[in-house]
Amino acid sequence: QKEVEQNSGPLSVPEGAIASLNCTYSDRVSQSFFWYRQYSGKSPELIMSIYSNGDKEDGRFTAQLNKASQYVSLLIRDSQPSDSATYLCAVDNTGGYNKLIFGAGTRLAVHP
Amino acid sequence: DGGITQSPKYLFRKEGQNVTLSCEQNLNHDAMYWYRQDPGQGLRLIYYSQIVNDFQKGDIAEGYSVSREKKESFPLTVTSAQKNPTAFYLCASSIDPTTGYGYTFGSGTRLTVV
Repeated sequence: QKEVEQNSGPLSVPEGAIASLNCTYSDRVSQSFFWYRQYSGKSPELIMSIYSNGDKEDGRFTAQLNKASQYVSLLIRDSQPSDSATYLCAVDNTGGYNKLIFGAGTRLAVHP
Repeated sequence: DGGITQSPKYLFRKEGQNVTLSCEQNLNHDAMYWYRQDPGQGLRLIYYSQIVNDFQKGDIAEGYSVSREKKESFPLTVTSAQKNPTAFYLCASSIDPTTGYGYTFGSGTRLTVV
């Protein structure tokens, strides 16, 4: 069974700190990885995509991918209360079709 | 503005009733998807379509049906065979049905059985 696993949290960090969110996946040949942010009662919003090993930075967000260890992470620098949300990790299904498998999400709480 | 429109935002279903959730996109995307989200769980794939007049079952298709008669539209019917339909339903689209592209989501429909 292909799975994507995340710690459900909540992960609580003070304002201005770095929040580190982790995700592991079971399908070794997955190629594409995504992080979505979902506010309570709203739909997910794509914030980062990563395809190659290493780091990818976009503003305060950095995605890290390690295919050998089958994990992908998201770092949020200078965390703000507005970053408080659930972060979903998604991995492609490798079947040649763009079907994403989602983790259950990690709830992040940034407190002032 | 381009996007995905889901309607209605809230829907109430009586026992034994079929209901249809609408999903329309004007992004010219080929692929469309329906996911279900339950509290504390990730998104689970119900059905997906890579091209007009073609669709495939996802992981939890039982009790649901879809059609894809137009590129822009991918309605989901929740039938009476779905015994626990209360959930948040999300429609998504992708520019290309092949691996490597992220999704754009609609705003969701919250379905409740009354």
